[in-house]
Amino acid sequence: EVQLVESGGGLVQPGGSLRVSCAASGFTFSSYAMNWVRQAPGKGLQWVSLISGSGSNTYYVDSVKGRFIISRDNSKNTLYLQMNSLRAEDTAVYYCARGQRIVGASAFDYWGQGTLVTVSS
Amino acid sequence: DIQMTQSPSTLSASVGDRVTITCRASQSISSWLAWYQQKPGKPPKLLIYKASSLQSGVPSRFSGSGSGTEFTLTISSLQPDDFATYYCQQYNSYFFPFGPGTKVDIK
Repeated sequence: EVQLVESGGGLVQPGGSLRVSCAASGFTFSSYAMNWVRQAPGKGLQWVSLISGSGSNTYYVDSVKGRFIISRDNSKNTLYLQMNSLRAEDTAVYYCARGQRIVGASAFDYWGQGTLVTVSS
Repeated sequence: DIQMTQSPSTLSASVGDRVTITCRASQSISSWLAWYQQKPGKPPKLLIYKASSLQSGVPSRFSGSGSGTEFTLTISSLQPDDFATYYCQQYNSYFFPFGPGTKVDIK
């Protein structure tokens, strides 16, 4: 059974940093691209970042470029999102999600339950 | 960048109704479109991929159609479990915008 479990959310001050993690199980983690998607309270879904299975290719939405870094440790079956220079507008539930296909861009077929990141003084 | 829009933003319907939601892309995305269902406090659930392919385990009352810039999600006979918010998403490129969502609530 595919499982994705996020952790590391919490309260952080504006300008601060936080790293969230996603532990994966039930599939060959290194074969699949992984994504972070966020949802601000009461708002819609926003894709944040993608990393290829090998980790060699990464993509970001413009609003987080230069501030967030996606990475993965395939030996630990874990996905990360390092968030720096955090702003109030980064407050959201952060979900990790698996890309459906091994090769190429694809829909997101499995999602974690999410971890809440709150940026506030 | 590709922009996604959805209509309507809210839809009031009754159990048994046929429901249709429309999603439009600002430029052609071929058939690289997915539909998700989300209930409050839960993560999204993939319903449809590649515009019309039903994800495993999803009831057959859900169907998708369209290509290019205009797509539809249809629920043939609305069930109590279907009251939720629905999002479309494009994946024609390595940029994955979602539509703003359509909330389906009880009439």
